[in-house]
Amino acid sequence: KAGVTQTPRYLIKTRGQQVTLSCSPISGHRSVSWYQQTPGQGLQFLFEYFSETQRNKGNFPGRFSGRQFSNSRSEMNVSTLELGDSALYLCASSPTGSGGHQETQYFGPGTRLLVL
Amino acid sequence: QKEVEQDPGPLSVPEGAIVSLNCTYSNSAFQYFMWYRQYSRKGPELLMYTYSSGNKEDGRFTAQVDKSSKYISLFIRDSQPSDSATYLCAMNPNFGNEKLTFGTGTRLTIIP
Repeated sequence: KAGVTQTPRYLIKTRGQQVTLSCSPISGHRSVSWYQQTPGQGLQFLFEYFSETQRNKGNFPGRFSGRQFSNSRSEMNVSTLELGDSALYLCASSPTGSGGHQETQYFGPGTRLLVL
Repeated sequence: QKEVEQDPGPLSVPEGAIVSLNCTYSNSAFQYFMWYRQYSRKGPELLMYTYSSGNKEDGRFTAQVDKSSKYISLFIRDSQPSDSATYLCAMNPNFGNEKLTFGTGTRLTIIP
């Protein structure tokens, strides 16, 4: 079974631009979560989608948004990029996100975003 | 103050040594505790998952949770060069494992 895939793997943008990142979960997984990873803050939860609905949200500004499609693929968008948005953006999928060890989150390799 | 504190290291130990990795936390609502391993240029992968206080062993790995001290540990016995990675603790107050709160990670190097 194929793992979680994320595209693109690397991205360079300039301040003020917007960016869209894509995540394809493991086949059959319906919950997709997004995280931002930086050296100083570590992994921080952005949001979680299940059945095309945002079910949980972290403490990030409205410039960060996402969506999920009927095939469970998810995209996240960051508008008006700032230098501090440079990070590794990780996507994780699980069957339903309802918990327990059986609901292990599987992470993708991430998209590394550099904002200049 | 962060909800979860983890020494970033780096930590270097010789092959075969016992490694101890630790996290402290401030939110007493956390009940589910996890350790993830992240190799360079890869996403994190789940190593251990424990609920509430106590110990859990899986091969060379042992996870300990002390809720009274708000302190969790991961021990690696007979460490191998392949254990070289960044280790992240994560925790959650609810049964669902979405919306995890992570430590910043400890970079571990096992020296052959």
